Amino acid sequence: GQNIDQPTEMTATEGAIVQINCTYQTSGFNGLFWYQQHAGEAPTFLSYNVLDGLEEKGRFSSFLSRSKGYSYLLLKELQMKDSASYLCAVRDSNYQLIWGAGTKLIIKP
Amino acid sequence: IAGITQAPTSQILAAGRRMTLRCTQDMRHNAMYWYRQDLGLGLRLIHYSNTAGTTGKGEVPDGYSVSRANTDDFPLTLASAVPSQTSVYFCASSDSVGTDTQYFGPGTRLTVL
Repeated sequence: GQNIDQPTEMTATEGAIVQINCTYQTSGFNGLFWYQQHAGEAPTFLSYNVLDGLEEKGRFSSFLSRSKGYSYLLLKELQMKDSASYLCAVRDSNYQLIWGAGTKLIIKP
Repeated sequence: IAGITQAPTSQILAAGRRMTLRCTQDMRHNAMYWYRQDLGLGLRLIHYSNTAGTTGKGEVPDGYSVSRANTDDFPLTLASAVPSQTSVYFCASSDSVGTDTQYFGPGTRLTVL
């Protein structure tokens, strides 16, 4: 079966750095997405990786290793507004997105 | 402002009733999707449409139907609601070009009693 694994919850301190991991086992791979979802709101797109390596976008970076079935989202200079759930999703061989359950990130002052 | 709208925002429904959740996008995206999101689970695809006039089944299609008469609208119908369909429903769309990023509507919170 297809599976996306992420930690359920993480806690970090304002101003610090946090890394959210995602491992996947899917039938085929056509890209990995990270979305941010604030409580009670819709998911919003953060990043996309299809080749191995690091993609940097401001305070957020995303890394992919296809051989290891692994990705991480790195958030730097954490702000209180970064408190949200972070969803990892993989596009499979049918070009459908398979979603992880999300990681709830709690930022403490 | 371009985007996706969903209606209603929330609804409480008696079991056995018929309900249609509405979704409209003005980005001229070809593909549209319906997901449900339940606590502790990832988003699960119910139905999708790659282009107007075509639809397909996702991971959890039972009890739901969709239609895609035009590019902009993608309604989701529950023919006879059951309590297990209590969930938050998100509509999304993508342009099927490049990264094919999906953009989400604000969601409909549905409670079936």
